[in-house]
Amino acid sequence: DAGVTQSPTHLIKTRGQQVTLRCSPKSGHDTVSWYQQALGQGPQFIFQYYEEEERQRGNFPDRFSGHQFPNYSSELNVNALLLGDSALYLCASSLAGGEGTDTQYFGPGTRLTVL
Amino acid sequence: AQRVTQPEKLLSVFKGAPVELKCNYSYSGSPELFWYVQYSRQRLQLLLRHISRESIKGFTADLNKGETSFHLKKPFAQEEDSAMYYCALLETSGSRLTFGEGTQLTVNP
Repeated sequence: DAGVTQSPTHLIKTRGQQVTLRCSPKSGHDTVSWYQQALGQGPQFIFQYYEEEERQRGNFPDRFSGHQFPNYSSELNVNALLLGDSALYLCASSLAGGEGTDTQYFGPGTRLTVL
Repeated sequence: AQRVTQPEKLLSVFKGAPVELKCNYSYSGSPELFWYVQYSRQRLQLLLRHISRESIKGFTADLNKGETSFHLKKPFAQEEDSAMYYCALLETSGSRLTFGEGTQLTVNP
């Protein structure tokens, strides 16, 4: 099991463009969460997907949207990119329900640079 | 709203010395707390979770609800412990992890 995988590894975009990031969860997991990590800061929760629906959302504008597919993989979309969106985007997967199963395991991240 | 505070951005100790990384939290519910570690050029990985009461790589952490703390301790630091450490709190719903800003630990030879 490769664990949580993310693609692409790096991405460079210009202001105003749109970007799609992808995540495949750890085998057996059904829940995907997305985080934004700016340089020198801890990860910030964007949203979580379970059963193909957004379960909870952090304090991020509507420019940030997501999707979960029937195979539990997920996409993060960001529209109208701003310079401030430059960050490492982390995906985490977990298994819903049951004590201890909701531990989140992280992927390697996608480094997004907005010029 | 929940909050996690790691007061030290940088911490430097010598090999064999005890190390303590501080974490304080504020949360109105019953907290689930974690320590994650990120070694150089590696992904964020789980170090330990308070409900498991395990000792991983010699590290332990005790939840102190009175002081709202979850400090990470190791009696004898090793050079390979040098990494960025994040304390995190999981909401009761099991959705959102709230992270501290992290402490960069350097263990000198």
